[in-house]
Amino acid sequence: DAGITQSPRHKVTETGTPVTLRCHQTENHRYMYWYRQDPGHGLRLIHYSYGVKDTDKGEVSDGYSVSRSKTEDFLLTLESATSSQTSVYFCAISDLGTGASGLSSYEQYFGPGTRLTVT
Amino acid sequence: AQTVTQSQPEMSVQEAETVTLSCTYDTSENNYYLFWYKQPPSRQMILVIRQEAYKQQNATENRFSVNFQKAAKSFSLKISDSQLGDTAMYFCAFVGIQGAQKLVFGQGTRLTINP
Repeated sequence: DAGITQSPRHKVTETGTPVTLRCHQTENHRYMYWYRQDPGHGLRLIHYSYGVKDTDKGEVSDGYSVSRSKTEDFLLTLESATSSQTSVYFCAISDLGTGASGLSSYEQYFGPGTRLTVT
Repeated sequence: AQTVTQSQPEMSVQEAETVTLSCTYDTSENNYYLFWYKQPPSRQMILVIRQEAYKQQNATENRFSVNFQKAAKSFSLKISDSQLGDTAMYFCAFVGIQGAQKLVFGQGTRLTINP
C-alpha cells in the first residue's frame, strides 16, 4: 500500500473557526491532491500541487487554501469554516513513471480520508 | 473540460451473478487513462482496474473486466461471479496525460450484492 496518511481522521468544529488538514506521504511523489466527497457529486478536486511551493486551484477551491513546504506534506486550510464545507476530504498522490514502491504513472493513490463536520 | 457520467446511482444483484456498471465520458484528448475505483464502507478508495486509451485490448483483473469503446466514449465495468465483498460505491474516473494528472470522477454507483 502507498504510504499516505491524513490527520486528523475526524474533526468537529464550529462555523467561523480555522481548520487545517494534513496529508503526509512517504513515496516521494511529485503530485499531491485534495478532494472533497459529497453525496451525488463523487470526488471533486479542491487544490493540487505539482511540486514544493507549486500549487493550483481545482474546480471547488473557494474557501480553501493549501501549502506545500516539503515534498511529503500537503496542508489544506479552511480559513473560516462554513457548514457547506462539511464533507469527507481525501488526499491523493501520483507521479510520472514508476516509483520505487511500484506505483504506476497516472494512477492516483488515496489516503484514508478525513470526516469534517462544521456545526 | 472533461466530464464523466455514471447513469446508474444504485444497482443490486444476487451473489454469484454478473453485473455491469456503466460509464461514459467526454474529452477532446486522444491519449488518456480511465479507471474504476471501489469505495467500500471503510471509505478507503481502492483502484480496481485501469485502461490506457491507446490500447485496444480491454483490461482484465481477475473477476473484473472492462468494455472500452473509445469511439463511443464508453467505459463499463463487468464484475463476474459477484461476491458479498464487492458491495461498495464504484467510481469511474478519467485523467488526461497532459498537464497535472487531474482525475475527473463520475458521481458513483452504489452496488449491493445480496446473499
